[in-house]
Amino acid sequence: ETGVTQSPTHLIKTRGQQVTLRCSSQSGHNTVSWYQQALGQGPQFIFQYYREEENGRGNFPPRFSGLQFPNYSSELNVNALELDDSALYLCASSLSIQGARGYTFGSGTRLTVV
Amino acid sequence: GENVEQHPSTLSVQEGDSAVIKCTYSDSASNYFPWYKQELGKGPQLIIDIRSNVGEKKDQRIAVTLNKTAKHFSLHITETQPEDSAVYFCAASFGNQGGKLIFGQGTELSVKP
Repeated sequence: ETGVTQSPTHLIKTRGQQVTLRCSSQSGHNTVSWYQQALGQGPQFIFQYYREEENGRGNFPPRFSGLQFPNYSSELNVNALELDDSALYLCASSLSIQGARGYTFGSGTRLTVV
Repeated sequence: GENVEQHPSTLSVQEGDSAVIKCTYSDSASNYFPWYKQELGKGPQLIIDIRSNVGEKKDQRIAVTLNKTAKHFSLHITETQPEDSAVYFCAASFGNQGGKLIFGQGTELSVKP
């Protein structure tokens, strides 16, 4: 059973640029959630995808968007990057929307905006 | 609003002692309470969870208790080992909002040999 895989592991971008982060969910999991974790803080919910549609969103602006594909993998896109977007971006997958058997997190993508 | 408070922010214990981390949540509709361990450079790893229809759950050296009335839940680690050193996060799931997890601020646990 493979876990959650995220790519790339590290990324440096310039303010104003756009970035795409990728996530492959754990085998058999159909729901993917994205979180932003600033240094020294707990993860903050960005949004969740189920059946290729957004299903719940946290307090993040529209320049944060996502996609889920038929194989349940997912992308997080961030437009017009700001310095405050520098953080660890985590993807979590689960068997269902309600996380019936828990949420499995990937190791994250460390994004630095300069 | 939705909020999870976690205490303490740092905790230092001697190897073999017990460690307790406490969390409170704001939304009485919360029904799922996981605990995660995060090591440096890694994503959070689920170590134990509890649902609102259960008051206590134990898995070897780790236990979690839930008091729904007081909206408190706690993590108990017995016989701590140096490899237990990490940042621990509690979280509460708000089931009617797409299963989103609200995390506490984290507790940095240090187990001294």
